[in-house]
Amino acid sequence: GIQVEQSPPDLILQEGANSTLRCNFSDSVNNLQWFHQNPWGQLINLFYIPSGTKQNGRLSATTVATERYSLLYISSSQTTDSGVYFCAGNYNQGGKLIFGQGTELSVKP
Amino acid sequence: DTEVTQTPKHLVMGMTNKKSLKCEQHMGHRAMYWYKQKAKKPPELMFVYSYEKLSINESVPSRFSPECPNSSLLNLHLHALQPEDSALYLCASSQDVGFREQYFGPGTRLTVT
Repeated sequence: GIQVEQSPPDLILQEGANSTLRCNFSDSVNNLQWFHQNPWGQLINLFYIPSGTKQNGRLSATTVATERYSLLYISSSQTTDSGVYFCAGNYNQGGKLIFGQGTELSVKP
Repeated sequence: DTEVTQTPKHLVMGMTNKKSLKCEQHMGHRAMYWYKQKAKKPPELMFVYSYEKLSINESVPSRFSPECPNSSLLNLHLHALQPEDSALYLCASSQDVGFREQYFGPGTRLTVT
């Protein structure tokens, strides 16, 4: 079946550091989303990025659809960035999002 | 407004109880979804409703019964659940089931005793 792989699985950063999270997918994706899940379980939309590059404040994302990967960049990390980051892709028009296993980020003060 | 609301936030139920989870959105979206998330795992799709009709059932046991009374509301009726059904239940919506951005509610944390 379709595979979505995220790396690294865990990441510990000092406040102020930068990081790059990666999402590889096994087949062409038509809808790629990045989410941040906070400690209370809420999935917060970060980017909808089937291709190209987007920026939102300290976060930016790039998807290279032809090479089947997406990157999430976090700059000047803050403790509030802690949580689990998921990428998810939609491969057909049925609406099913397939999630990667997530990257658990911990930012220390 | 990109808000999806879910009630209740927490639910504890016995294996013989019947309860319902509710999800609501007022974004005019015509696709709504139920996902289940176990601890330390990613969300997994359970059901998709498109224009108030069930379009995907991911082989979910019949003790979970979805309902879409109108385009803004989605319910999940629970009956005779097992302890292994304890999880975070997430509702989502999107403009339609095409390649659209999905927006998630805060979830209902369910514990089955």
